[in-house]
Amino acid sequence: SQKIEQNSEALNIQEGKTATLTCNYTNYSPAYLQWYRQDPGRGPVFLLLIRENEKEKRKERLKVTFDTTLKQSLFHITASQPADSATYLCAFPFSGSARQLTFGSGTQLTVLP
Amino acid sequence: SAVISQKPSRDICQRGTSLTIQCQVDSQVTMMFWYRQQPGQSLTLIATANQGSEATYESGFVIDKFPISRPNLTFSTLTVSNMSPEDSSIYLCSVPRTGFNEQFFGPGTRLTVL
Repeated sequence: SQKIEQNSEALNIQEGKTATLTCNYTNYSPAYLQWYRQDPGRGPVFLLLIRENEKEKRKERLKVTFDTTLKQSLFHITASQPADSATYLCAFPFSGSARQLTFGSGTQLTVLP
Repeated sequence: SAVISQKPSRDICQRGTSLTIQCQVDSQVTMMFWYRQQPGQSLTLIATANQGSEATYESGFVIDKFPISRPNLTFSTLTVSNMSPEDSSIYLCSVPRTGFNEQFFGPGTRLTVL
C-alpha cells in the first residue's frame, strides 16, 4: 500500500535560517505532490503543488523539490520567521484518483526568535 | 477560494451517543471529502460525498458508523454513531478547488468522547 513519511515530528530552527522538511514515499509514483500548512485548531491550508515532471517550484520564501528517483520531496522555507511556526503536511493523490489525497504525518516546525 | 464552515466547532459527548457534524461551503461543489485527524496524527480520508449518490467509504470506515448525507451541492453532514473514546478526533471536511487538485479545508470539529 502507499506510504508517505515525513522526516521528523518536530523541527526547531533559529529565525532567519532555512528550514528543510522532508517527505518520502513508497509503493507509488504520484503524478504530483502537495504541501499544506496547518495551524493549531485550524484546517490545513494549501501552499504548493509540484508535478512529477517538475524538479522545483517556488513561491515567495517557499521552495519545493520533487525527486522521483529518490521518491522524495523537500520543502524549504528561507529566511524563516516565528510566524512560519506550524505543522507542515505533504500529500499526494490516491492511486487512480486525482482528487483524493493521502497525507503524511506532518512535521511541526518551530522558528525561534 | 472556497469558504467552508463547520458546526459544531467542538463538542464533548458521552460514550454510546451520536454526533452530527455539518459542513457548509459558499459555492457549489461536486465532491466533498470527510477526514479524521486523531490526536497527534495526520489526516485520514473517511469518505467522499457526492451529491445525488451514496458516499464512497475508504477502507476501515463503514456507513453504519459514519453515515453521510449530501442533500445539495453546498452542504454535507457526517454522523459519528455509537461513539467510543477512540472516536475522539478532529473531523474535517474539504472540497477540491475547481479545475485544480488542491483542496480547501474547513476549520474542523474537535470531538471528545468520554
